[in-house]
Amino acid sequence: SQQGEEDPQALSIQEGENATMNCSYKTSINNLQWYRQNSGRGLVHLILIRSNEREKHSGRLRVTLDTSKKSSSLLITASRAADTASYFCATGVQGAQKLVFGQGTRLTINP
Amino acid sequence: DVKVTQSSRYLVKRTGEKVFLECVQDMDHENMFWYRQDPGLGLRLIYFSYDVKMKEKGDIPEGYSVSREKKERFSLILESASTNQTSMYLCASSFPQGTRRGYTFGSGTRLTVV
Repeated sequence: SQQGEEDPQALSIQEGENATMNCSYKTSINNLQWYRQNSGRGLVHLILIRSNEREKHSGRLRVTLDTSKKSSSLLITASRAADTASYFCATGVQGAQKLVFGQGTRLTINP
Repeated sequence: DVKVTQSSRYLVKRTGEKVFLECVQDMDHENMFWYRQDPGLGLRLIYFSYDVKMKEKGDIPEGYSVSREKKERFSLILESASTNQTSMYLCASSFPQGTRRGYTFGSGTRLTVV
């Protein structure tokens, strides 16, 4: 079953602009994670935010989490062509051994 | 550089064949997972294993089986391949609290059944 749902499904912006992707989920979570997938490849773990955290940064990435709204956002600042990829959120539920992934946002950075 | 290795990037098999997809990790992870990824459907969990010889069904186990005889290796088996099993297959591994620390994925195997 899918818990995380990303929005938008696709996003196209110019290089240098900021990209924002959103994720909504349904049940209580331990943490929320973001992954990147380049075309035809596996997923790469980007960042994890715990349920008691509200914001986290890693380089050009900024993740926010609002547990009251059951939503998260991923902001990529000063986008580059190499950021072109699909981005997935995944939720970790207490007691569960597995993550539940959303369907992803396809991000295209135009030069 | 730690990694998860899937034996084939591309595979073409005939309908009715028995197909083995192999996944090996070198991180001493307890948990291993098999997903399939299809356009518009995202990642769907087929099976996972949290210990040697242990397995749990995921969301779409029908038509698949798995084997975990050694900690580092997790095999996905298509007993009789069908065209609706044409897909991208992704293996992942994690520590027992992988939901708290993230997964490491392989590069994927794109399987075509003709």
